[in-house]
Formats: sequence, C-alpha cells, structure tokens
Amino acid sequence: NAGVTQTPKFQVLKTGQSMTLQCAQDMNHNSMYWYRQDPGMGLRLIYYSASEGTTDKGEVPNGYNVSRLNKREFSLRLESAAPSQTSVYFCASSRLTGGLGNEQFFGPGTRLTVL
Amino acid sequence: AQSVTQLDSQVPVFEEAPVELRCNYSSSVSVYLFWYVQYPNQGLQLLLKYLSGSTLVKGINGFEAEFNKSQTSFHLRKPSVHISDTAEYFCAVSDNRGSTLGRLYFGRGTQLTVWP
Repeated sequence: NAGVTQTPKFQVLKTGQSMTLQCAQDMNHNSMYWYRQDPGMGLRLIYYSASEGTTDKGEVPNGYNVSRLNKREFSLRLESAAPSQTSVYFCASSRLTGGLGNEQFFGPGTRLTVL
Repeated sequence: AQSVTQLDSQVPVFEEAPVELRCNYSSSVSVYLFWYVQYPNQGLQLLLKYLSGSTLVKGINGFEAEFNKSQTSFHLRKPSVHISDTAEYFCAVSDNRGSTLGRLYFGRGTQLTVWP
C-alpha cells in the first residue's frame, strides 16, 4: 500500500516548455487534489476532482490543466511553463466526495523549477 | 470561502518547553478543523482533526488542540516539545456543507524550531 505517489520528484524546465505531473493513489479514494506550496503562502488549491469524471478549479488554476484519467490517477499539466510556476506541487486524495471531515492524504511532492 | 490565519510564522522554543501554535478561522457555518505537520522535504501528514463532540482533541506525538467556537480558534499545544518536533505546522478548515464540501483551506504555516 503505497498511498499517494507522485512523479517526478524533481524537474527543471525552461520557460515555454510543457510537462505533466503524475499522481496516483491506491486507497480507492474518490476525491483528488492538486496544490502548490510557496514559501510563506501555505498550500493553495490548483484543481480538484471530487469524483471520477469531474474536475473543478481551485484558487489558482491559471496556467494549468488537469485530467482525471481514472479513479486512481489525476495528472496536472503545464502547457507553457513560466517562472511564476516554480513551486513544490502536492497531490492529495480523500475517501469521500466531500463531507464527514474526510482527511486528505498527501504525496511526497514534486519540486519544479522553471528557468 | 473560508480563510485561516496562523498568527505566528515562526515559533522558536527550547527542548522540553511547552508550545502553543495559534490558528483562527473565519466561518459562519459549521466546519471541520485540522492540523497537519510537514517535516523537511516531505509531504503533509495529519496530526489531529476536530469533527464534532469534545472540544479537546488529541493527536499523534503528544499534540492536542482545543476548538473554541466563540473565538473561532483551534490552537495546537504540546506540554513538552522534543527536537524531533521541529517542522512546519499547518492549520486547515473544511466546510461540512455546501458546494465546497470537502475542500481544505490552509493557513500559511508556522515553522516550529526546537533548540537543545
């Protein structure tokens, strides 16, 4: 039982390049989330998927797209990377489609640098 | 949308001293409250959560938090800290109803540093 896994762990891009961050969970969770963490800003929600087949914007969606490939996998794509997207990206999942105080489980993060 | 304020960005303490990390939230509806811990170069893990019932919640590693509805606070405490408690701590709130059900709103974090 690996929990939430993310690939890659580290990535360096040049401005304008594209890439996809991968996330998978093996806990049969319904909901999945993408956050970015910047110093002094806490975690900010980029996109989330309350259940398979649905995605919604969070606080900071500009410059990103997501795909809920199946119940296990939720990917985040940067189409044209910008230096402002330099950050640590975390994927999380939770059991229920909202409600009942469901705990979110976090992956180890992807550290992305855009030059 | 919810907002969470962690009143101290950094808290330095000596080993075996007590510590309190403060968290206030803004909400006019019922909420769930969480504290997460992040050790260096790791993801977040849950310390404790308040859903309902007793306002004093106990978590892992000897931490506890008290929910105060009138003051909209959820402060985290530990009576005696260890060097291994050095980490960043995040308070988070979740609506328990409505269209944003299940989403977490995080504070900006408090860096706890424990000195020998």
